[in-house]
Amino acid sequence: EVQLVESGGGLVQPGGSLRLSCAASGFTFSDHYMDWVRQAPGKGLEWVGLTRNKANTYTTEYAASVKGRFTISRDDSKNSLYLQMNSLKTEDTAVYYCARVGSSSSHYMDVWGKGTTVTVSS
Amino acid sequence: EIVMTQSPATLSVSPGERATLSCRASQSVSSNLAWYQQKPGQAPRLLIYGASTRATGIPARFSGSGSGTEFTLTISSLQSEDFAVYYCQQYDNWPPITFGQGTRLEIK
Repeated sequence: EVQLVESGGGLVQPGGSLRLSCAASGFTFSDHYMDWVRQAPGKGLEWVGLTRNKANTYTTEYAASVKGRFTISRDDSKNSLYLQMNSLKTEDTAVYYCARVGSSSSHYMDVWGKGTTVTVSS
Repeated sequence: EIVMTQSPATLSVSPGERATLSCRASQSVSSNLAWYQQKPGQAPRLLIYGASTRATGIPARFSGSGSGTEFTLTISSLQSEDFAVYYCQQYDNWPPITFGQGTRLEIK
């Protein structure tokens, strides 16, 4: 079964850091681009960023709202995706989803995890 | 950045009737558009990609159409499990990947 499972969410103070993980199974993780998408309480979906696959040198892209504060990485040997979040702000409070990109040439997200909740509050 | 605008914000339809949801892009995205369904407390689920191709396991009552800047998601005969929030997403010109603000489909 194709599956993504996020972990690492929790309560953190403004200015703090948190590292989210996403464990993948049931597919060849190394072949795929991977995204992080977040959803603030009661709001819509916001793309956070992505990592390309090895064939595309693992390069990353970020939304303007998180660039310079968040870092996406992956470990293909562990079938895992990560999101390092630094200098957290209250507006980063959200459910964070990892998602598999269906194809390197068509950036739709065909598999999603159930999400992990990040709360930034003092 | 391409802005995606969905309408209406909320759509009230009776079970068994047809629902038509719209998505407009601020500039052409060709056919590089996806639709997602999200139920309360759940992750989004891919319904449609390439503007009109159903994802694996998606019932035939869901159909997508359009190209360029105007897109439509049609649900031909609403079932109880179809009441949810629907999002469109463009992937023609990125970063950033952008989503519409969502349409809430509710029971009339």
